[in-house]
Amino acid sequence: NAGVTQTPKFQVLKTGQSMTLQCAQDMNHNSMYWYRQDPGMGLRLIYYSASEGTTDKGEVPNGYNVSRLNKREFSLRLESAAPSQTSVYFCASSEVLGDTQYFGPGTRLTVL
Amino acid sequence: GDSVTQMEGPVTLSEEAFLTINCTYTATGYPSLFWYVQYPGEGLQLLLKATKADDKGSNKGFEATYRKETTSFHLEKGSVQVSDSAVYFCALSDRGGYQKVTFGTGTKLQVIP
Repeated sequence: NAGVTQTPKFQVLKTGQSMTLQCAQDMNHNSMYWYRQDPGMGLRLIYYSASEGTTDKGEVPNGYNVSRLNKREFSLRLESAAPSQTSVYFCASSEVLGDTQYFGPGTRLTVL
Repeated sequence: GDSVTQMEGPVTLSEEAFLTINCTYTATGYPSLFWYVQYPGEGLQLLLKATKADDKGSNKGFEATYRKETTSFHLEKGSVQVSDSAVYFCALSDRGGYQKVTFGTGTKLQVIP
């Protein structure tokens, strides 16, 4: 089992460019999450999906959109990247909401 | 709302020293409590958890006890190793509402030989 996979691992964007971060899990989990991690800020929830077909905003959703493509895949889109979105992005999944979360290896994004 | 407060880091210890990382929480109801560990360049992984008061979670020599009376879930290890160097996150899952997970800001541990 690969667990939670994320692509790409690294990305550099210019201000205003768009991109999609991909996430997939092979554990048959119902719930999936996107977080960003900034120094001194811990983890902040961007969006989550309690189950296939549903998505909800987290603490810091502005500037992002998500798609729960199917039970396995949950993508995060930056429509017009800004330097404030420079961060490390983690995808996670859990069997149900609130249960133990399993994290991917992260995507390190720099917006110039 | 829910919150988790961890001790500020970094914490620097010599190998074989005793470790305590403090964690206190604020939550309505009866949350589940977690400790996650993040090794350099990796995502978080579960270290241990406890789902009700007085439960003790343990793994890899680490322990934490769910103390409802003091709203605490302190992480301890009797003898740390260099390989324990990582960032440790305390978290809670509110079992009411939509069961959002709230993370602390993390405590960096450095163990020196």
